Order: sequence, then C-alpha cells, then structure tokens
Amino acid sequence: NAGVTQTPKFQVLKTGQSMTLQCAQDMNHNSMYWYRQDPGMGLRLIYYSASEGTTDKGEVPNGYNVSRLNKREFSLRLESAAPSQTSVYFCASTSAGWDTQYFGPGTRLTVL
Amino acid sequence: GEDVEQSLFLSVREGDSSVINCTYTDSSSTYLYWYKQEPGAGLQLLTYIFSNMDMKQDQRLTVLLNKKDKHLSLRIADTQTGDSAIYFCAEKSGGSYIPTFGRGTSLIVHP
Repeated sequence: NAGVTQTPKFQVLKTGQSMTLQCAQDMNHNSMYWYRQDPGMGLRLIYYSASEGTTDKGEVPNGYNVSRLNKREFSLRLESAAPSQTSVYFCASTSAGWDTQYFGPGTRLTVL
Repeated sequence: GEDVEQSLFLSVREGDSSVINCTYTDSSSTYLYWYKQEPGAGLQLLTYIFSNMDMKQDQRLTVLLNKKDKHLSLRIADTQTGDSAIYFCAEKSGGSYIPTFGRGTSLIVHP
C-alpha cells in the first residue's frame, strides 16, 4: 500500500500560470480532502469530496477548483496562480470506522 | 464556528515528560485525535480517543480527556530528540466529514 500519494512534490509558478495538483489513494477510502498549510495558520480546508461524484467547498475555496476523477483520485487546480497561493498543499483521505485521516507528503508550491 | 486551541510552542529537556494541551468548543465532538508532523512531511495519526473515554495509553503516549472542560492533553513520557515535531489536536463530531484542527504545537526537545 502506497497510502496517499501526491505529485508534484515541488513546483514554482509565475503569477497567472495554471497547474493541477494530483492526489491518489489506494486504501479504498470514500472521502478525500485538500488542505493548505501556512506558517502560524495550521491547516485550512480548501475542498473536500465526501464520496465519488460529490465535491464541496471548505474554508478557503476561492481561486481553486477540484475534480474527483474516480474513487482513487482527487485533483486540485489553480486556474490563475497568485502569490497568495504560495503554500504547502496536503491531500488526505478518510477511513471508515475511526474516521482517521491519512495524509499525503505534500506539494510545496511557490508563486512568484 | 467550532474552534480548537493549542499553545504554539513547548520546549523540554530530553528524558523529561512533555504535556501538550488542547481545548475545543464543539460539545458534540465524538472523535478526538493527535497528529504528528515531522519537518517536510505530512501529518501522521499518533493516537485517538472517543469522547466516552477518559484516558488512553499507548506505550509512551497518554491521552487524557476532560469532557466537562473540553480539554484534551497528550503526555509523552521520556521525551526524545526524535519527538521534536509539530503536534496537532483535532476533533470531529460523528455526523460530520470535516475534522477541525488546532494550529499545532511545535515541540522542541533539547539535550
């Protein structure tokens, strides 16, 4: 089991460029999440997908879009990157039972 | 909205016990978690407790829950330099998909 994988690990963009962050899980989890982590701010939820075919906004969705491609994959798209989107992005998925979240290793994004 | 509060920093000497505290506001919290984040990595679940439990022990880790005061603590016995990390408290009610995380406590262990 690879758990939750994210690509790329690092990315540098110029203002206005677009990109898609990829996330996949091989644990057959129903729910998947995208967070951003900024110094002193903890984790902030961008979007989540409670199950395949559904997506919902979290606390900070502006400037982002998501796609739940299938049960395994949940992507995050920045259509026109801004310096305020410089952050570390984490994908997570949730197991049944204890409802614990499993996190990917993160994507470190810098927007110049 | 619901809130989870933690102190930002804790510094301890190697071999001492560390106690990281957390308070939360959601009275319907069912699940309470402690996650650990090492530098450059994602969060890893350390331990969890149900709201109907008072205490849980797992090797060097002890979790205490005071549901009346909505206070959760994580005690790490015999703290080692490898325990240096950010520790996140989180809570979730049974009917919700969304956990609420605290901002994290940076634990620094010095020799």
